Amino acid sequence: DSGVTQTPKHLITATGQRVTLRCSPRSGDLSVYWYQQSLDQGLQFLIQYYNGEERAKGNILERFSAQQFPDLHSELNLSSLELGDSALYFCASSVGGVQGTGKDEKLFFGSGTQLSVL
Amino acid sequence: AQTVTQSQPEMSVQEAETVTLSCTYDTSESDYYLFWYKQPPSRQMILVIRQEAYKQQNATENRFSVNFQKAAKSFSLKISDSQLGDAAMYFCAYRSAARGTGNQFYFGTGTSLTVIP
Repeated sequence: DSGVTQTPKHLITATGQRVTLRCSPRSGDLSVYWYQQSLDQGLQFLIQYYNGEERAKGNILERFSAQQFPDLHSELNLSSLELGDSALYFCASSVGGVQGTGKDEKLFFGSGTQLSVL
Repeated sequence: AQTVTQSQPEMSVQEAETVTLSCTYDTSESDYYLFWYKQPPSRQMILVIRQEAYKQQNATENRFSVNFQKAAKSFSLKISDSQLGDAAMYFCAYRSAARGTGNQFYFGTGTSLTVIP
């Protein structure tokens, strides 16, 4: 058990709908990262938050948004869903979030949310 | 952005034998970290091994070891005495150590390892 909790584990919805994925980082971790894993692609970085603030943004669509709350849990909101959004969405956490600090930083992953858009 | 390439989509190994998974990366930085993550059928991403670029000595974790060739930008994973439980997707990842914003990890596309009994 990595200590990172993601809910729900599975989500089935229809095109055009909106869903929210939730992530609770490991105790003490300040950074939360969201990744998308599609069948034919590796892990695509979406976005990172550090202590409530956006730190880095990757290939995140405008239909997607995220936030990190004061208790450090994070939510990823996906709207106007399309068939191609079907994927496994991972949340990961780390202690810090600034490159060059925390030399021993590692990413700890949750078990993912499998999103199926029908 | 840095790129990580895993040129072997699939590999197989006989149980108890040794297998090497390849990874190359592209960067202009001198200080960085490299990782191998394992994703078994449970989908959980598990850290296997980590290497600091400033260390010449190759990292080792039990049956897992790496061959880090900094000049060649190569970071291969060797699994010795392969076990059935090693069957998984393996991802190579890169993280910069340069100061700045963010702590982004870059992942390769993965290598699916099958262990044959």
